[in-house]
Amino acid sequence: KAGVTQTPRYLIKTRGQQVTLSCSPISGHRSVSWYQQTPGQGLQFLFEYFSETQRNKGNFPGRFSGRQFSNSRSEMNVSTLELGDSALYLCASSNGQGFAAGTDTQYFGPGTRLTVL
Amino acid sequence: AQKVTQAQTEISVVEKEDVTLDCVYETRDTTYYLFWYKQPPSGELVFLIRRNSFDEQNEISGRYSWNFQKSTSSFNFTITASQVVDSAVYFCALSEGFSGGYNKLIFGAGTRLAVHP
Repeated sequence: KAGVTQTPRYLIKTRGQQVTLSCSPISGHRSVSWYQQTPGQGLQFLFEYFSETQRNKGNFPGRFSGRQFSNSRSEMNVSTLELGDSALYLCASSNGQGFAAGTDTQYFGPGTRLTVL
Repeated sequence: AQKVTQAQTEISVVEKEDVTLDCVYETRDTTYYLFWYKQPPSGELVFLIRRNSFDEQNEISGRYSWNFQKSTSSFNFTITASQVVDSAVYFCALSEGFSGGYNKLIFGAGTRLAVHP
């Protein structure tokens, strides 16, 4: 099976712009989660989608949003970019069928490295 | 509050040495899941192992072994006879069965392992 794919791999934007990142999960997986990785804050959970519905959300401002399509592909959007948004954004997929929250194993993509100038 | 602590920021060893990466976690949930991921320079997080809170059996997979001890809230990872290809950043992560909600991984800060020839 093909792994999780993310596009683009690299992005350079300027402050105030907005950006959209894309994630295609492993075939058959219906859950997609997003994480932000920075040297200062480490890996932090942004949100999780399953069957086009956001099921969980981390502590990020409303400038960070996401959505999931019927084919399970997901996009995340960051509006009004700030310098501090420079990070590696990782997407992870899982089958989402866990009998309780937290039971899934998440498989990660290669990430999108966003630089905000 | 939930938390994962990886006290070792960086470890440097010579090839063929054994090395143990420490992980201590905090959670109030009685059902939880622990993970180890490897992040090579390419950036992708590679899944290594998942353990649930009901199963304290140690696990061995080739040169890798994991020691889970609920009494000390630890989930340590040992690499036997390390190789240069083991050089990477290793993350321990926690997923809670109820409090955290769906698919929210809480990561430690990571341990950077450098294996020298």
